[in-house]
Amino acid sequence: GQQLNQSPQSMFIQEGEDVSMNCTSSSIFNTWLWYKQDPGEGPVLLIALYKAGELTSNGRLTAQFGITRKDSFLNISASIPSDVGIYFCAGLSYGNQFYFGTGTSLTVIP
Amino acid sequence: EAQVTQNPRYLITVTGKKLTVTCSQNMNHEYMSWYRQDPGLGLRQIYYSMNVEVTDKGDVPEGYKVSRKEKRNFPLILESPSPNQTSLYFCASSLASPQETQYFGPGTRLLVL
Repeated sequence: GQQLNQSPQSMFIQEGEDVSMNCTSSSIFNTWLWYKQDPGEGPVLLIALYKAGELTSNGRLTAQFGITRKDSFLNISASIPSDVGIYFCAGLSYGNQFYFGTGTSLTVIP
Repeated sequence: EAQVTQNPRYLITVTGKKLTVTCSQNMNHEYMSWYRQDPGLGLRQIYYSMNVEVTDKGDVPEGYKVSRKEKRNFPLILESPSPNQTSLYFCASSLASPQETQYFGPGTRLLVL
């Protein structure tokens, strides 16, 4: 099946630092999404991107839909302890199938 | 409270014993989907449904069946479970299309011996 390459796999940062993670795909996507998953919970949508080149913010989070439709990045500014969790990118194909990245585990050190 | 519920939350079974994991949403959502999550692999879509009586295969449908007889329910059926179906399963729903916000259930942890 489709593989989304998400990097980095894990990050350990100091509180207050900015974070950047990205996803690349071998295929183009209709929609890119970013989710956060806390332990024992289902993923929660953070940001959805619908157009190539689109840059969208949600509080301290900013994400972009790559111009080639094959990549996306997520930035978190001024990280805080509650940002800890696993972040997933996801792409929606034109055939209405979802593909998820392998996740970025974020640890914020107070 | 608007939510997606799954039952059971935890299940241990043996190879070959048919099982069903139920998924129900109370938000009148049209789109529903099943995923499995395995360490190092992220979430992979098993099946999805755009509306009642409309279901389609996701990325990893082998060994699974689904049905969508009513809008609120989308059960996942394992006719003959095997150990490689040991996983964490999530059901999700969104209002009308997969592009809209998906709401995930709490997950079902399945162990097949």
